[in-house]
Amino acid sequence: GAGVSQSPRYKVAKRGQDVALRCDPISGHVSLFWYQQALGQGPEFLTYFQNEAQLDKSGLPSDRFFAERPEGSVSTLKIQRTQQEDSAVYLCASSPGLAGEKADTQYFGPGTRLTVL
Amino acid sequence: KNEVEQSPQNLTAQEGEFITINCSYSVGISALHWLQQHPGGGIVSLFMLSSGKKKHGRLIATINIQEKHSSLHITASHPRDSAVYICAPWSGSQGNLIFGKGTKLSVKP
Repeated sequence: GAGVSQSPRYKVAKRGQDVALRCDPISGHVSLFWYQQALGQGPEFLTYFQNEAQLDKSGLPSDRFFAERPEGSVSTLKIQRTQQEDSAVYLCASSPGLAGEKADTQYFGPGTRLTVL
Repeated sequence: KNEVEQSPQNLTAQEGEFITINCSYSVGISALHWLQQHPGGGIVSLFMLSSGKKKHGRLIATINIQEKHSSLHITASHPRDSAVYICAPWSGSQGNLIFGKGTKLSVKP
């Protein structure tokens, strides 16, 4: 079946612009994660959804970052008034079970590479 | 933060060599993932383990929960194994993965 998809794959924004990054998880997966990966670094956790509920947003770096998953499937990560330090690859992952209950394999999307000029 | 330490950070090997990548972590966990990331960003989960050892083809992963240490081994390495390998403990209480910075492996023919 189809894996996790993300769009766009590449996004160039001028500083101050708003951007929206989309994640289509594997159908039926309950848990959805967003991660930020700076160049040369490992991914870092941003936020986690269980169905449509955002259970953890402790990793969001500022209030310019907002994520939603209104129907419990597709998720959007929005960054307002982008700054150069927001340049990174944004990864989405989904897993079939409830994170926090048991460890579960996470399936990653290809990521969106955001460059803020 | 340094909750997860991987070594080495960079590794160059000749085709056929036995590869070991180490991961130490400071947080209490109940499981750990080994991930492979190829140039271009795609991440694939290789293993998820909570005790002992797992083997998949030429890849072997071991973990010692008490010592907070895990290793990834690649036998008979091949140039197509060239990638970044990331150790990612699962914290359980939070439900999200904590990632190491990765080990960049380059296998020369």
